[in-house]
Amino acid sequence: QSALTQPASVSGSPGQSITISCSGTSSDFGSYDHVSWYQQHPGRVPKVMIYEVSKRPSAVSDRFSGSKSGNTASLTISGLQAEDEADYYCCSRTNSDTWVFGGGTKLTVL
Amino acid sequence: EVQLVESGGGLVQPGGSLRLSCAASGFNFNNYWVHWVRQVPGKGLVWVSWINNDGTTTNYADSVKGRFTISRDNAKNTLYLQMNSLRVEDTAIYYCTRDAPHSQFDFWGQGTLVSVSS
Repeated sequence: QSALTQPASVSGSPGQSITISCSGTSSDFGSYDHVSWYQQHPGRVPKVMIYEVSKRPSAVSDRFSGSKSGNTASLTISGLQAEDEADYYCCSRTNSDTWVFGGGTKLTVL
Repeated sequence: EVQLVESGGGLVQPGGSLRLSCAASGFNFNNYWVHWVRQVPGKGLVWVSWINNDGTTTNYADSVKGRFTISRDNAKNTLYLQMNSLRVEDTAIYYCTRDAPHSQFDFWGQGTLVSVSS
C-alpha cells in the first residue's frame, strides 16, 4: 500500500492555471473511479474539492476541476488566487477496498 | 449541522493500547460509511481504516492490520478505533471522516492526537 505519487510542490502566479498530478497503479485506482482531492490549509482539517474524478461539491469554486487518464489523475486550478495556497492531496479507493492518499503537494501562489 | 468529534487520544508507551471515539451528530449516522485517517503533524494524510454503515464490513491499512480494530455503535452514533500494540510510528493526529458516499470524505472531525513514546 504505497502512497499515490504527487509532486512535492507546484507554484503559480495569481490568475494563472496549475495542474497537480497523482499517479498510481491500476489497482490503486480500482474499478470505481473514486478519486477525490482535498485541500488543507495549515492547522485546518482537509476539505474535499473534487470527488469521483471530476465532480465538484456545490460549495467549491468552479475554478477547480479534476480529470483522469489511465493511471494518472489530475487537479487543475484556474485563475489562481492567494487563498488557494495550501496542501493538496489526492485519494483513491483501491481494488482491495482500501483507500490510499497521495503524498501531498504544496501549492505556492507567487 | 453535521459534527464529528473525536476523543480518546493521549500519550501511551510503546506496546500500549488506546481506544479512540468519534461522536457523530447532525445526520443519520447509520446511513454512512466512516473512516479513520491519520496525519503526523507536518506530514501527509494516511488512510487507516473503514467500516460500512451497519458495521458488517471493515478494512485496514497494512500498517495497522492485526493491531487496530474499527467498530461502531449506531445506537450511540459513535465510531471507535481500538488500537493495540502501539508503536512509535503510530504517533499522529487521528481524524474520523464521513464517506458521503463514493469516497467523498465530506466532513471531518478536528482530530485527536495520539503520541506513542517511552
